[in-house]
Amino acid sequence: EPEVTQTPSHQVTQMGQEVILRCVPISNHLYFYWYRQILGQKVEFLVSFYNNEISEKSEIFDDQFSVERPDGSNFTLKIRSTKLEDSAMYFCASSEFREGSPLHFGNGTRLTVT
Amino acid sequence: KQEVTQIPAALSVPEGENLVLNCSFTDSAIYNLQWFRQDPGKGLTSLLLIQSSQREQTSGRLNASLDKSSGRSTLYIAASQPGDSATYLCAVQGNTDKLIFGTGTRLQVFP
Repeated sequence: EPEVTQTPSHQVTQMGQEVILRCVPISNHLYFYWYRQILGQKVEFLVSFYNNEISEKSEIFDDQFSVERPDGSNFTLKIRSTKLEDSAMYFCASSEFREGSPLHFGNGTRLTVT
Repeated sequence: KQEVTQIPAALSVPEGENLVLNCSFTDSAIYNLQWFRQDPGKGLTSLLLIQSSQREQTSGRLNASLDKSSGRSTLYIAASQPGDSATYLCAVQGNTDKLIFGTGTRLQVFP
């Protein structure tokens, strides 16, 4: 069964550094998402992406964050200048349609900012 | 603002029991509700999706019901097995792209 893949599985970085989290969504899916989960807290929506542009973003997704689909398969999340509070599990997801189709999540990237 | 709550927060049962996990949401204007399973250190696996016009969905030993007007959904797990041990999350989608998640129910099924 097709799956969403994320790399790396674990990233450790120093405060102020830039990180890029990578995802390969399921190939026939059109909608792409990033969510995050801070340890012990709820899964939170960050951003959705469709037709090569941001469709919706949360208040968490400020100017430090950006997303890109650099080619036909990859979908990336960049954090320009990481903060301690960015430490979390970041999940990429994709779906075939905006509504009515389930989200397929990757296994996540655990980001640790020191 | 939509809030999603799940009860109980944790549940420990012997193998073979039938279980009910509860999810409630404050705004009934939803498009769909999804149930996910999350294993430790892993991503979320979609279990069931119920459209707002539907009352229930079934997959194998799992049955999810939706009562939109009262803001409730239940996930019924029949004949539980140790392999069912995981955290179960419900999430609702309104007229936006995002899913709003509950805090989850951590289930442990012991042999």
